[in-house]
Amino acid sequence: DTGVSQNPRHKITKRGQNVTFRCDPISEHNRLYWYRQTLGQGPEFLTYFQNEAQLEKSRLLSDRFSAERPKGSFSTLEIQRTEQGDSAMYLCASSSPGRAALSMAQYFGPGTRLLVL
Amino acid sequence: AQKITQTQPGMFVQEKEAVTLDCTYDTSDQSYGLFWYKQPSSGEMIFLIYQGSYDEQNATEGRYSLNFQKARKSANLVISASQLGDSAMYFCAMREGMGDRGSTLGRLYFGRGTQLTVWP
Repeated sequence: DTGVSQNPRHKITKRGQNVTFRCDPISEHNRLYWYRQTLGQGPEFLTYFQNEAQLEKSRLLSDRFSAERPKGSFSTLEIQRTEQGDSAMYLCASSSPGRAALSMAQYFGPGTRLLVL
Repeated sequence: AQKITQTQPGMFVQEKEAVTLDCTYDTSDQSYGLFWYKQPSSGEMIFLIYQGSYDEQNATEGRYSLNFQKARKSANLVISASQLGDSAMYFCAMREGMGDRGSTLGRLYFGRGTQLTVWP
């Protein structure tokens, strides 16, 4: 039973460069979420997909950020013209619909740690 | 206003003892869900326990139980018989809008976490 996977696990980039992260959810899960976590804080919501539809976006998701889930399976999160303030852990989670309590939980991947120099 | 408040930045407990991690929440929704996650130093968020706002009984999962006091808007996590491996960051989270058809809103609101240290 594979969990949520994220690639790469670490990324170091220079300010102004573009970066792209990938998330592969648990196979039967149709909902996918992106969060950002900075040091000493809890995760902050970025965006949410149900299948291929992007249903919710946070104000944190500026114009430099874009997320896609083209076939309703894996998702990518791209940050254009990175800034030092983008340095954080980017977490992906997935969940399935349904009424059982566990199915309402979001299951997280290991995260991608981004450092912008 | 903060949706989730965790007032204990750090907690210490001796192995085999029980510990309570505090969480209060703020919502005007009647239907919502409360979650606790564990984040070890490796970074991955691990789901521990869930409580629905309409659940009449407190949730339990093994050594974890949730002390749900709706009127006080609190959802404290109780870990019984602490183990060294329980040392980690613990986050309380809430999802609003958990209707009968399931949540239509995806986001979880997280608190700032409590660092739990279990000592021998």
